[in-house]
Amino acid sequence: AQTVTQSQPEMSVQEAETVTLSCTYDTSENNYYLFWYKQPPSRQMILVIRQEAYKQQNATENRFSVNFQKAAKSFSLKISDSQLGDTAMYFCAFRSGSRLTFGEGTQLTVNP
Amino acid sequence: SAVISQKPSRDICQRGTSLTIQCQVDSQVTMMFWYRQQPGQSLTLIATANQGSEATYESGFVIDKFPISRPNLTFSTLTVSNMSPEDSSIYLCSVGFFSGNTIYFGEGSWLTVV
Repeated sequence: AQTVTQSQPEMSVQEAETVTLSCTYDTSENNYYLFWYKQPPSRQMILVIRQEAYKQQNATENRFSVNFQKAAKSFSLKISDSQLGDTAMYFCAFRSGSRLTFGEGTQLTVNP
Repeated sequence: SAVISQKPSRDICQRGTSLTIQCQVDSQVTMMFWYRQQPGQSLTLIATANQGSEATYESGFVIDKFPISRPNLTFSTLTVSNMSPEDSSIYLCSVGFFSGNTIYFGEGSWLTVV
């Protein structure tokens, strides 16, 4: 069974600074997908970024980028120029086949 | 992506009653799932909703407690039966498309059982 571990229950960052959220996973699969979702206080799950395991290039979406290390089974999220609206719970997720497995989440607070 | 609408968005329910949550998508999707998120916790998959057949439940979830319907490619319901305070959670509908690998989520239904 796949497992996803987020070792940082809480993090904080100053507005305009950069922060990195960690995620590791365990799988014997070779083809899979990794995601970061954001859950603000409204509770809706919002896709931030995704990475296909067969792609060596790290995914980037505006201020959000990942550092995907397949051999190390690591998938960290970097948020540049943090904004107050980035305050949310961030979940790392692994997909192989149809189901998603989530980490426990990291609560990120952006301070003014 | 898709517009995924869930109803109700929030409800307070009496112990022992049942509540049905609806999930409507604005386009046809391959996969529909139901997740539970208990207070302060991560998301746990309840079941995969299969069109025209019985849902596939994850370990720890049973059809008598969480009956699911999926009559077509755009609609599904989840019923939480005989509710107890332990069922107080956010229930989220999620979908995947014929092509593409991303799973998208509805806004969630926040249930409080008193």
